[in-house]
Amino acid sequence: KNQVEQSPQSLIILEGKNCTLQCNYTVSPFSNLRWYKQDTGRGPVSLTIMTFSENTKSNGRYTATLDADTKQSSLHITASQLSDSASYICVVSALGSYIPTFGRGTSLIVHP
Amino acid sequence: DTEVTQTPKHLVMGMTNKKSLKCEQHMGHRAMYWYKQKAKKPPELMFVYSYEKLSINESVPSRFSPECPNSSLLNLHLHALQPEDSALYLCASSQEPGRLNSPLHFGNGTRLTVT
Repeated sequence: KNQVEQSPQSLIILEGKNCTLQCNYTVSPFSNLRWYKQDTGRGPVSLTIMTFSENTKSNGRYTATLDADTKQSSLHITASQLSDSASYICVVSALGSYIPTFGRGTSLIVHP
Repeated sequence: DTEVTQTPKHLVMGMTNKKSLKCEQHMGHRAMYWYKQKAKKPPELMFVYSYEKLSINESVPSRFSPECPNSSLLNLHLHALQPEDSALYLCASSQEPGRLNSPLHFGNGTRLTVT
């Protein structure tokens, strides 16, 4: 069964600090992995998308890594801002599948 | 601002009402999706349309009826809903279903409350 596990479930950090969110998956055969940011009451917004040949991808202060051998990904947020407070969802797709597998998300709260 | 537009943003309906949710995208995407999201849970797939044809129905009750009038529009018709159907309904689109490097573009959703 395809599964995506995210940790931690929730995280509170101070503004300006860095943090790392984790995603482990068992989706096979692997096609791609995406990180989404979802603000409260809004739809998810894509941050990064990575295929099996990509190890690192950055989008501003967000850097995603992928280890296809261990089936792990991380999302590193640098110099956090109050606007980073949101749910971060890891989504993994299998080759040829219309239906990506969603993680349950990490709820990040950034305090001033 | 999102490139996928959903209306209305909020909807309150009784269990005997008939209402429709609307979704529109002008990115030329050929796949469109309906997701249901309960609080603090990930989105759950309901329907997938590929090239305006229904390709996936995730065993959704018949009180939810999707419609894709053209490649830019997606509707979800609601009838005789239950209170447990209250949720955020998200529409999404992608270039083609299952295509490599083709992320889902989500709308901001319709917050549905069934009374």
